This record gives sequence, C-alpha cells and structure tokens, in this order.
Amino acid sequence: AQRVTQPEKLLSVFKGAPVELKCNYSYSGSPELFWYVQYSRQRLQLLLRHISRESIKGFTADLNKGETSFHLKKPFAQEEDSAMYYCALSGDTGGFKTIFGAGTRLFVKA
Amino acid sequence: DTAVSQTPKYLVTQMGNDKSIKCEQNLGHDTMYWYKQDSKKFLKIMFSYNNKELIINETVPNRFSPKSPDKAHLNLHINSLELGDSAVYFCASSLGTTEEAFFGQGTRLTVV
Repeated sequence: AQRVTQPEKLLSVFKGAPVELKCNYSYSGSPELFWYVQYSRQRLQLLLRHISRESIKGFTADLNKGETSFHLKKPFAQEEDSAMYYCALSGDTGGFKTIFGAGTRLFVKA
Repeated sequence: DTAVSQTPKYLVTQMGNDKSIKCEQNLGHDTMYWYKQDSKKFLKIMFSYNNKELIINETVPNRFSPKSPDKAHLNLHINSLELGDSAVYFCASSLGTTEEAFFGQGTRLTVV
C-alpha cells in the first residue's frame, strides 16, 4: 500500500542549527517524491522534488531507495523557515495519485 | 491568473446543513484532489479524481461527495454537516500521475 510517514509532528531548532525533517515511504513501484511547504497564511506550495536534485532555499533532499526515505535537510536553519512541511509521494500504480505525510511543523527559534 | 481557485474562502454554517465548496483549475490538468487539513495542520487526502476514475479514501464519510461537471472543476458537497467537519479543505490538481500538485488557497469551514 502507498504510505508516507513523517514521524515528527513538531521539530524545534535554534537559528543557525542544522535541521532534518524525516520522511519514509512505502510504495510498490517507482515513486516521485516531493516536499511541500506551507508558510503561515499562505497556500501549500512545492519546495522541491527528488528528480530535480536541486537545492531550494538551502534545502536538499536525497531519495534513498534502500531505506525508502526522502529526508529534508538544511545545514543552517533560518527563522523564515518556520512552516509546515509535507512529504508527498506520487505514483501511477493504482490508488491515489499523490498522497501526503501528516506533516511536520518546523519552528526555528531566534 | 489564479491556477487553482476555491470558493468560498471562508464558510460558517450550522450543524445539519448541506454545503458545497467549488474548485476550478485553469492549468489543463487531468487530475484533481480534495484534501482536509485539520486543526493540527495534518493533511489527509479525501478524493482523487480524473476523467476516468474517482478514488475515495475509505475513511471519508459518505456525507462527502465530489462532483465534477467538467475536467476543470471538482466541487465538494457535504451533507448533514457535523462539528467535526470543521477544517480547512484544499483543492489541488496535477498533470499526469507523477507531476507536481498545485493547490488552491483553501476553504476554512466552521460548523457551529
């Protein structure tokens, strides 16, 4: 079955500290993995996707097929990174096309 | 031009009422979704729909029903509203099965 798991509901770090938001997935085919972000009072928007292999706002995420993980990382957190982050999986082997993890709230303290 | 638009943005209604939330996308996407975001900001899929199939999350009460008059619209109808239905509902669309999803701004539903 398709599943996306974000084990941390809340992650609180100090400004300048490294941050890692965990995401694990379960999928029988070859999925596309995404990270979405929702800043306060804004709509949900794409942060990055694994096939792009790019860094957005200092964030990177590497797909580890062996561990079925797609953790989001940033070496130095900024206060403006405080938001809700969702890991998402998209595939075509039946079921929902795009499913999301429950989300992790990142709070960066000054 | 707004890519995915939802109306209304806010909806306050009494228990037992029937209400609808409209969603329109002008991106030419073939797949649309409804998600529910609860008070703790957790996001759960409710429906996935394209012009070929409707997939329903089995945990969604049958009081909720999606209606798609055409490819660009997916409206959400809710019958006999309950207090627990209070949440923010997001519509989204994507092109194909593995592409980025674009979201509407959300509709905050409050049932009193």
